[in-house]
Amino acid sequence: DAGVIQSPRHEVTEMGQEVTLRCKPISGHNSLFWYRQTMMRGLELLIYFNNNVPIDDSGMPEDRFSAKMPNASFSTLKIQPSEPRDSAVYFCASSPGDTPYEQYFGPGTRLTVT
Amino acid sequence: AQSVTQPDIHITVSEGASLELRCNYSYGATPYLFWYVQSPGQGLQLLLKYFSGDTLVQGIKGFEAEFKRSQSSFNLRKPSVHWSDAAEYFCAVGPPRNNNDMRFGAGTRLTVKP
Repeated sequence: DAGVIQSPRHEVTEMGQEVTLRCKPISGHNSLFWYRQTMMRGLELLIYFNNNVPIDDSGMPEDRFSAKMPNASFSTLKIQPSEPRDSAVYFCASSPGDTPYEQYFGPGTRLTVT
Repeated sequence: AQSVTQPDIHITVSEGASLELRCNYSYGATPYLFWYVQSPGQGLQLLLKYFSGDTLVQGIKGFEAEFKRSQSSFNLRKPSVHWSDAAEYFCAVGPPRNNNDMRFGAGTRLTVKP
């Protein structure tokens, strides 16, 4: 099993640019989570999908952030326009339906906005 | 609102020594409790979890944790630390059957001295 796959692993961009982070969950898992990790705020849940449907996006910081899950094997987190304060590590995690708390994390995308 | 506190930001132990990482939670009922480990540049990996039943739970890599309801604690222990255990450890709490509301502690960074 390849685990949760995230791309890119590192992204450096300039303020105002659009950034798209990608995630491929573990095959067969029906829940997907996007988290953000910073030194100041720790690990925060941004949005949660179940069976490709967004269930809770209350953690999305602003309208500049959007997430989609067009199918069971792919999700994106987009920031448009990006700002320096968006610099963080973004994690994607997935979990199987029968054990919802077994969240498997990807390696993360380290985003730097200059 | 539920919350989780890890009082120790950084702990240093010698290789072979015992380890205890503290975790306290605030929640109206008994939540689901978790410990995750994050190695540098990696995502989080689930070490162990407590849902109900036996209050002493065994996890991977020789770790165990004990749930103490009277103290609202879920401390992580290991009898003999290995150099490879150096990492960041996160305690997390979530309400039963609602895994989109899981809260993570700020983390405890473990350094292992040779």
